[in-house]
This record gives sequence, structure tokens and C-alpha cells, in this order.
Amino acid sequence: GENVEQHPSTLSVQEGDSAVIKCTYSDSASNYFPWYKQELGKGPQLIIDIRSNVGEKKDQRIAVTLNKTAKHFSLHITETQPEDSAVYFCAASRTWRQTGANNLFFGTGTRLTVIP
Amino acid sequence: DAGVIQSPRHEVTEMGQEVTLRCKPISGHDYLFWYRQTMMRGLELLIYFNNNVPIDDSGMPEDRFSAKMPNASFSTLKIQPSEPRDSAVYFCASSLTGTDYGYTFGSGTRLTVV
Repeated sequence: GENVEQHPSTLSVQEGDSAVIKCTYSDSASNYFPWYKQELGKGPQLIIDIRSNVGEKKDQRIAVTLNKTAKHFSLHITETQPEDSAVYFCAASRTWRQTGANNLFFGTGTRLTVIP
Repeated sequence: DAGVIQSPRHEVTEMGQEVTLRCKPISGHDYLFWYRQTMMRGLELLIYFNNNVPIDDSGMPEDRFSAKMPNASFSTLKIQPSEPRDSAVYFCASSLTGTDYGYTFGSGTRLTVV
């Protein structure tokens, strides 16, 4: 099965600085890579995703890059704000032709703290 | 839409008791997933359903765990008998194929078995 590794496990940055979280995956057939943000007491929320036919995707202050050859992808948050403080999870999945299912395999999470 | 709704939000029970967690997926979504989150193991997929049919339950830790989806708008995860090591946050998520692949998670049920 798929194995997703995520680094670092904790990250502290000053407000206004950038934050980068990196993930690697093992299954070369994985074709969908979402990122989730989990705030205290809440479920993970999808913040951005990328498919394997795209190398980079941006949405305001967040961006995700994908290197299929190296099997790694990264989340970049620029101009960080205190409200960005949360746990971030990367995930990888492949679509099973038979069922259409896309089981997500999650990384272990990164606790981001933005210091005001 | 109100999103994925889970109940209860918190559950404290004694070891050996039966626990039932409930989930209402987003209307129209055809996939439903149950995850367990712990500090040690992160997010683990327990089981998922497609059109109310269990597809893969290989993540269910043991026979004490069972899940059902009697209709498109309701699913339960049952633990009988419960043990302290079952203490975790249990999330339900739903998704719809053919539109996008993103999962929508509920707010979770925090289970404490004492």
C-alpha cells in the first residue's frame, strides 16, 4: 500500500515569514495529493490539492508543488498569520478503476505555530 | 448543506460497555469513510462504504469493531466491548466521485474509555 511521510512534525515561524512542509509518497500510481488543515477540536479541512498532471498550484498565500519523479510534494504558506497555526496533513491517493474509490493515505501531520 | 454531522461530540464510557458513533454524510455523496485519529498512529482509515456497501474494512482493528450504513444518509460505528486503547477521536468523512476527490470531514467524536 501507499506510505506517506511528512516533515517536519513541528514548525514554528514568525508572523510574516514563509512556512514549508514536505511529504514523500511511495506508490508511483498515486495521482491525487490534497492538503488538509486541522484546527483544535475540528475535523481536517481541505485547503488545496494537486493532481499528478500538474506541477504547481497556487491559491492566494498557499501553494503546492509536486515532483512526480522524486515522489515528493510540498506545501508553501507565504506571509504567515497567527490564524495559520494548526496541524497540517498531506495525503496521497490513487483512483481504483474498478470502484472509482480514492482512498486517502495521510501523513503524520505538522503542527505549525505562527508567532505574532 | 450542514456538512458531515457526527454525534456525539464527546463520549466517555467504562471499559466493557458498548459504544455507538453516528454519522450523517453530505446529501448526495456516495462514499463514506470512518477514520480514527490518535497521537501515536495519526489518521487511520478504518472502513469505507460506496453507495451504502462496505468496500474495504481491512483497517478495522478487530472484531470488536463493526460499521453499518443502512441508508445513504446514516452510518454507525460500533465498538463492543470497548477497551481503554480504543480512546481516540473518530472522524467520519464523505465524498462524491465524478466531481472532485476531496473528502469532507465531520467534527469528530472524542471517545474516552475508562
